[in-house]
Amino acid sequence: DSGVTQTPKHLITATGQRVTLRCSPRSGDLSVYWYQQSLDQGLQFLIQYYNGEERAKGNILERFSAQQFPDLHSELNLSSLELGDSALYFCASSPGDVNNEQFFGPGTRLTVL
Amino acid sequence: QKEVEQDPGPLSVPEGAIVSLNCTYSNSAFQYFMWYRQYSRKGPELLMYTYSSGNKEDGRFTAQVDKSSKYISLFIRDSQPSDSATYLCAMRVQGGSEKLVFGKGTKLTVNP
Repeated sequence: DSGVTQTPKHLITATGQRVTLRCSPRSGDLSVYWYQQSLDQGLQFLIQYYNGEERAKGNILERFSAQQFPDLHSELNLSSLELGDSALYFCASSPGDVNNEQFFGPGTRLTVL
Repeated sequence: QKEVEQDPGPLSVPEGAIVSLNCTYSNSAFQYFMWYRQYSRKGPELLMYTYSSGNKEDGRFTAQVDKSSKYISLFIRDSQPSDSATYLCAMRVQGGSEKLVFGKGTKLTVNP
């Protein structure tokens, strides 16, 4: 158990809908990262927050947004969902803003029908 | 050409075999190299990381980096059924953002 929690575990929704994925980092970790994992693309970095501020951006679509709250938990919002958004979404955390060891949560499996 | 290439396998070996997993990359600015292990239905976990070139050993695992060839390897000695998982290489540049670039992963099965 990495200490990172993600909810929900599974999410099934329809095209065009909006969903919110939630992540609680390990106690004391200030950085939160979001990743998308699909069979064809592998694990893709989406975005990083450090202590409430956006730190780095990867291949995140404009339909997706994230934020980190004062208690350091983070939410990833996915809107106008498409079939191709079906994937595993992982959250990871690390103590600082530049760390090689990121602790991954168990993931949220999103299915868009 | 993708930044990081990794043969997806699957790779199936008998218990006790030496396993070699590899990644190639195209970005010469990569300085930190990592191997993550991902069990089925779980998040990845860091196995090892190395900085720049050279070898690093940790128990049955050895990580090698050859920057001149842009090639990294993970060797597993005396492989066990519990090593059955998907192994992902990851790398990043020094400084700047924390963005890790991952390979697609190699699925390994160690048969008892």
